[in-house]
Amino acid sequence: DAEITQSPRHKITETGRQVTLACHQTWNHNNMFWYRQDLGHGLRLIHYSYGVQDTNKGEVSDGYSVSRSNTEDLPLTLESAASSQTSVYFCASSGETGELFFGEGSRLTVL
Amino acid sequence: SQQGEEDPQALSIQEGENATMNCSYKTSINNLQWYRQNSGRGLVHLILIRSNEREKHSGRLRVTLDTSKKSSSLLITASRAADTASYFCATRLYYQLIWGAGTKLIIKP
Repeated sequence: DAEITQSPRHKITETGRQVTLACHQTWNHNNMFWYRQDLGHGLRLIHYSYGVQDTNKGEVSDGYSVSRSNTEDLPLTLESAASSQTSVYFCASSGETGELFFGEGSRLTVL
Repeated sequence: SQQGEEDPQALSIQEGENATMNCSYKTSINNLQWYRQNSGRGLVHLILIRSNEREKHSGRLRVTLDTSKKSSSLLITASRAADTASYFCATRLYYQLIWGAGTKLIIKP
């Protein structure tokens, strides 16, 4: 069965370190998204991609970057982690129907 | 920015009762989607209703859309303990999908 997987599921890091969260989907979807979820804010879009070599900034992109070198993967990098980036991160993908398929989330704690 | 606003923020009902959640939005939409999120898990797509549709059913779920009032409702009939979760609406306009903050539903045995 097709799926979307995130790793690591849990990560603790220190302020200033670089962190990369992986996202891999086997749906063969062109569209991929990274969200963060915080209490009181719902889901906020960080970056998204509509295909290989395409990346776009979402509403909360500062301090984050993504790259899309193939259809399956959209890694999210925090260049210099800050305590404000402590959150749960969700990767999602979508095809032509427009419905999103989500990963199980990556809980990041920045100390 | 959040376009969808769910109401109520939290809802607690007895098992077997019906649960109704509402979503209001501000701009024109192409479609509106409802998702469920169990604690500590990713979101799962429940149902999509297009802007030219007024009602849609899927199992125990019934979704209505009133574009004149810019609102939607999700009805879950004969609730079960497994329905305990947070429910989110998301509105799509072209390529943008905008999320509400969710309704937390608790089903009491």
